[in-house]
Amino acid sequence: LAKTTQPISMDSYEGQEVNITCSHNNIATNDYITWYQQFPSQGPRFIIQGYKTKVTNEVASLFIPADRKSSTLSLPRVSLSDTAVYYCLVGGAGNTGKLIFGQGTTLQVKP
Amino acid sequence: KAGVTQTPRYLIKTRGQQVTLSCSPISGHRSVSWYQQTPGQGLQFLFEYFSETQRNKGNFPGRFSGRQFSNSRSEMNVSTLELGDSALYLCASSDGPEAYGYTFGSGTRLTVV
Repeated sequence: LAKTTQPISMDSYEGQEVNITCSHNNIATNDYITWYQQFPSQGPRFIIQGYKTKVTNEVASLFIPADRKSSTLSLPRVSLSDTAVYYCLVGGAGNTGKLIFGQGTTLQVKP
Repeated sequence: KAGVTQTPRYLIKTRGQQVTLSCSPISGHRSVSWYQQTPGQGLQFLFEYFSETQRNKGNFPGRFSGRQFSNSRSEMNVSTLELGDSALYLCASSDGPEAYGYTFGSGTRLTVV
């Protein structure tokens, strides 16, 4: 699975838009990009997944440039409850359950 | 639809003992994976089961083992517990070999004293 690089931490204020960028220079042709959110003492929660261009759901947007060597998770109008660790993962559809988590990005949302 | 259920939620064991953790996946999900999370090492993959067969295994000693039953429920066992085995153990399930979105349980917090 491709290695990913994310900022270790980010700070934001309530109501702001937060963009977390992930680098994955060695992404393979059949790899998808997936983001998970994790709160303390809980399991990671699937946020969004994409392959190319832009994907949007009810909680976030995922922007993927044409070369796919990076991706940006966008959280609109964050609240205090969005304070969590965000993980970017890349991998193929047939990776048989082995997810490789990096250190993630700790997002701290302040009032 | 019920989520992934892990039991027990908390556990305290003594060094040298063994422990068994249980995971009930989402109904219909046949793939179950296990992860260990510690402050120092982060989230690390232990193993994955699909239709009662172990398909993938991480870099953990043989003291860590698992199995999956015909109803897809899974158990993991750690024998001869060490202090370093204290961690949050997470289980994740998915609905097929080609799925990439996984649903995690809330985990079992194991403390070895």
